[in-house]
Amino acid sequence: QQQVKQSPQSLIVQKGGISIINCAYENTAFDYFPWYQQFPGKGPALLIAIRPDVSEKKEGRFTISFNKSAKQFSLHIMDSQPGDSATYFCAASEGYSTLTFGKGTMLLVSP
Amino acid sequence: KAGVTQTPRYLIKTRGQQVTLSCSPISGHRSVSWYQQTPGQGLQFLFEYFSETQRNKGNFPGRFSGRQFSNSRSEMNVSTLELGDSALYLCASSLDAPDGYTFGSGTRLTVV
Repeated sequence: QQQVKQSPQSLIVQKGGISIINCAYENTAFDYFPWYQQFPGKGPALLIAIRPDVSEKKEGRFTISFNKSAKQFSLHIMDSQPGDSATYFCAASEGYSTLTFGKGTMLLVSP
Repeated sequence: KAGVTQTPRYLIKTRGQQVTLSCSPISGHRSVSWYQQTPGQGLQFLFEYFSETQRNKGNFPGRFSGRQFSNSRSEMNVSTLELGDSALYLCASSLDAPDGYTFGSGTRLTVV
């Protein structure tokens, strides 16, 4: 079964620090890699996404780094804020198939 | 613009009963997907509909079914409910999967 492995399961970062969440995948046909942010009581919200033709994409404080040869991608949150405390999911898909999600990372940014 | 609307938000059912959940996608979105979210298994794909046709299906038993109407609204049905069906059921819509999925807030189903 296609899998996306996400780590760590939980993460505590001090305000102003860098939060890093990693994902690894197996299916080399995956061509779309989004990250979602979920707050309690809400559905996941698309944060940022990347396709394999670029190695990095930055939107504000959020950056995706993509390593095609290692089949890994990661989310970096710069200058982490308490409001960033949420659960983050990486995902991957092939063509118009559905998204396969990682298990999620609970991020807590301490004031 | 209005987001993805899921109804009801909360539901309590008894084992053996059936349940129908509703999803109204963002206007113009033709793809609707359903996911089951649990603490242990995370987000698991149920099925995806595009222009009233089931285009993808996850690895769930036949008790789980869905449909999409001509206005893109979608429903999912679970028959003969089991305790393990207790979960948050999420609906997501997009112009065409998987780009730009927008999720609703979900329906929290509790089976007792």
